[in-house]
Amino acid sequence: SQTIHQWPATLVQPVGSPLSLECTVEGTSNPNLYWYRQAAGRGLQLLFYSVGIGQISSEVPQNLSASRPQDRQFILSSKKLLLSDSGFYLCASAGGGRTPLHFGNGTRLTVT
Amino acid sequence: RKEVEQDPGPFNVPEGATVAFNCTYSNSASQSFFWYRQDCRKEPKLLMSVYSSGNEDGRFTAQLNRASQYISLLIRDSKLSDSATYLCVPTPAAGNKLTFGGGTRVLVKP
Repeated sequence: SQTIHQWPATLVQPVGSPLSLECTVEGTSNPNLYWYRQAAGRGLQLLFYSVGIGQISSEVPQNLSASRPQDRQFILSSKKLLLSDSGFYLCASAGGGRTPLHFGNGTRLTVT
Repeated sequence: RKEVEQDPGPFNVPEGATVAFNCTYSNSASQSFFWYRQDCRKEPKLLMSVYSSGNEDGRFTAQLNRASQYISLLIRDSKLSDSATYLCVPTPAAGNKLTFGGGTRVLVKP
């Protein structure tokens, strides 16, 4: 079975600082990878997904970006964080087709 | 209309009772469906997969109504440990965009 590694578990960053969150996947190859964000008390918002190296689909954010430099590595970045970027960031992996998502443990980001 | 909609609740359920709630979806071509359970400040965990008309796993039953485009989750003999937020996500017929509903919060009380 696959394992999704995310780090760090918690992060406190000042407004305007950069961000880099990394996600790596073990136990599968050529997965579909996803970044979700969950604001306090809210649902999961899809930010980005990727079906292969260098292939990124962006759903919402203006000041966030994602990259997939390797098959099982997915990175979420920002050049300048906003207060509204605070939330619980979850990386997820799926085999595609009709297979379910598996989630990492998440990173809780607080922008101050 | 949102792609996936869920009653946010909370559903306050006495221990031992039955609770059911729905997830409606807009894409009629959705092929399969997944229910996830999310505890407070934790990542979602897969609860159940639904590939046809429904699925049953112990006290949990999922039922798919394709005509009305919703999937339900029923929990029988509720336990205190069933308190959580339940999220649904349909898989698209084409493409790989996976959009979750906002979740239904269930609180089981003694």
